[in-house]
Amino acid sequence: DAGITQSPRYKITETGRQVTLMCHQTWSHSYMFWYRQDLGHGLRLIYYSAAADITDKGEVPDGYVVSRSKTENFPLTLESATRSQTSVYFCASSESIRGGNTGELFFGEGSRLTVL
Amino acid sequence: AQSVAQPEDQVNVAEGNPLTVKCTYSVSGNPYLFWYVQYPNRGLQFLLKYITGDNLVKGSYGFEAEFNKSQTSFHLKKPSALVSDSALYFCAVRHHYGGATNKLIFGTGTLLAVQP
Repeated sequence: DAGITQSPRYKITETGRQVTLMCHQTWSHSYMFWYRQDLGHGLRLIYYSAAADITDKGEVPDGYVVSRSKTENFPLTLESATRSQTSVYFCASSESIRGGNTGELFFGEGSRLTVL
Repeated sequence: AQSVAQPEDQVNVAEGNPLTVKCTYSVSGNPYLFWYVQYPNRGLQFLLKYITGDNLVKGSYGFEAEFNKSQTSFHLKKPSALVSDSALYFCAVRHHYGGATNKLIFGTGTLLAVQP
């Protein structure tokens, strides 16, 4: 019962290459999020999605692209990777806060990306 | 704008002693407050939340947190620390108002080290 899975868990790439990190959730949560975790910065929101075909920018969206054609999937693409994008990326999902849900996030195990 | 501060990068405590991990927040209106824990090479796990009601909230693994509105704080506590509690702890806040997104704003994290 993985719930939310990320792939790959580890990725090494070179500057300028395109990289896609995958995220899949089995709960049918309406909301999905991508965060990056860096020492001294905690978790910073890159993009989020309220539902299929609805996405919005977070705190640090530059250099990233997302899509959400299906509720369960929320891939994150680095179109031209840079060294500053070396980080650990976390996908998360939650139910909508409408209807009285409190909106706690459920996280994947993370994808560690190194850009050389 | 919402923000969360965790003033201590690291907290050291001896096993069996009480522990406190500090968190202060800034948000307009009433906050939803959360604590998450992250073990090495893992995703974040939900510990507890404050929504409304009693200021003392109990969560997983014997942890509790005290909400103090006048001091805008939500400190995490445990009466007797275990070595296995050693991990990275994140405080997070979200607006409590209808129609809002589910976005959580995270602090920078506090590393808890429990010595045997």
